[in-house]
Amino acid sequence: GAVVSQHPSWVICKSGTSVKIECRSLDFQATTMFWYRQFPKQSLMLMATSNEGSKATYEQGVEKDKFLINHASLTLSTLTVTSAHPEDSSFYICSARDLAGGAGEETQYFGPGTRLLVL
Amino acid sequence: AQSVTQLDSQVPVFEEAPVELRCNYSSSVSVYLFWYVQYPNQGLQLLLKYLSGSTLVKGINGFEAEFNKSQTSFHLRKPSVHISDTAEYFCAVSAGNTGGFKTIFGAGTRLFVKA
Repeated sequence: GAVVSQHPSWVICKSGTSVKIECRSLDFQATTMFWYRQFPKQSLMLMATSNEGSKATYEQGVEKDKFLINHASLTLSTLTVTSAHPEDSSFYICSARDLAGGAGEETQYFGPGTRLLVL
Repeated sequence: AQSVTQLDSQVPVFEEAPVELRCNYSSSVSVYLFWYVQYPNQGLQLLLKYLSGSTLVKGINGFEAEFNKSQTSFHLRKPSVHISDTAEYFCAVSAGNTGGFKTIFGAGTRLFVKA
């Protein structure tokens, strides 16, 4: 089946630094990837939709200059948290669509998540 | 726009007992419905989904859910739970929007299976 990986699985950084999280589709091409944030004991909140070769579409309330998303290839999307602060500490999860593989537009494959801790 | 309400934040249950996790949704358009499970510090795993057709959907790990359009519900059930079913369960709806297909998640229900 379709597999999505994330790297790193966890990261600790100092306040003010930038952190890059990678999301890869390992065995399919993902024209669309999604980035979610999940705070402890809460649900997943969609941050942005990333389409290969174009600018990401951010949800209301998500700062696009703080959360930089790049989807330069059909198998890789990156999320960069710029000038991270402790309130950015969260679990970040990506997902991807595999339309070419015959799955419907409603199907998403989720990565294992990246836990970010900003000190 | 669509929304999802999971009526129970926590559900404690004894091993081998039946369980039902409740989910209600609202939407002005037709939706697809999902149940996902999340184990600690892991991503989401799809349990089952309803796209169309039979309203009773069977998924992995012995779970099933029934789509009830009149009650706008999609409750998840399992006749006999195991300790290993302890996890967070998320109900989700997906529908086309002006910005494309989006998935909205419920707040989650923590299932705690006791020995």
